[in-house]
Amino acid sequence: NAGVTQTPKFQVLKTGQSMTLQCAQDMNHEYMSWYRQDPGMGLRLIHYSVGAGITDQGEVPNGYNVSRSTTEDFPLRLLSAAPSQTSVYFCASSYSGLPPTDTQYFGPGTRLTVL
Amino acid sequence: AQSVSQHNHHVILSEAASLELGCNYSYGGTVNLFWYVQYPGQHLQLLLKYFSGDPLVKGIKGFEAEFIKSKFSFNLRKPSVQWSDTAEYFCAVKYSSNTGKLIFGQGTTLQVKP
Repeated sequence: NAGVTQTPKFQVLKTGQSMTLQCAQDMNHEYMSWYRQDPGMGLRLIHYSVGAGITDQGEVPNGYNVSRSTTEDFPLRLLSAAPSQTSVYFCASSYSGLPPTDTQYFGPGTRLTVL
Repeated sequence: AQSVSQHNHHVILSEAASLELGCNYSYGGTVNLFWYVQYPGQHLQLLLKYFSGDPLVKGIKGFEAEFIKSKFSFNLRKPSVQWSDTAEYFCAVKYSSNTGKLIFGQGTTLQVKP
């Protein structure tokens, strides 16, 4: 199993540009989520999905869109990048949202810089 | 509001010293508790978790944590740290009323001097 994969690893954008961060998992996990990690703030939940076709907002959803057309993929779209979105983005998945199978497995992260 | 607080932002220890990292969460009913670790240049890995039963939880690499419900705490401990434990440590909580949402603390950077 490859686990949770993310592409790209690094990205530089100009303000106003759009892009999609890719996330895929091959563990047949129902639950997937996106976090951003900023110094001194830990990880904050952006969006999550409890299964294909179902998504919901997390703590900091503004400026981001998600969709979940398949169990495996959960892309994160930045509609119009802003410098405040400079961060490290992590995708995570778990078998379910309920214990004991709710341990989240994280991808390697995407470091995004918005100029 | 549901929140998690880690008291120590930066900890520096010498090898063989004992470690205790604090984690407190706000009241919100039944909780599941996690500690994750992020080694330099790597992604987050689960150290240990609690969801029911024995409040003393043992994880990987000699780490353990104790859930004290009355204090809303889930402190991480290790009797003797090694240089390889240098990493950032995150406490996280999932409230039963918030199925699926994992709330992270700010993180604690641990530096172990050889």
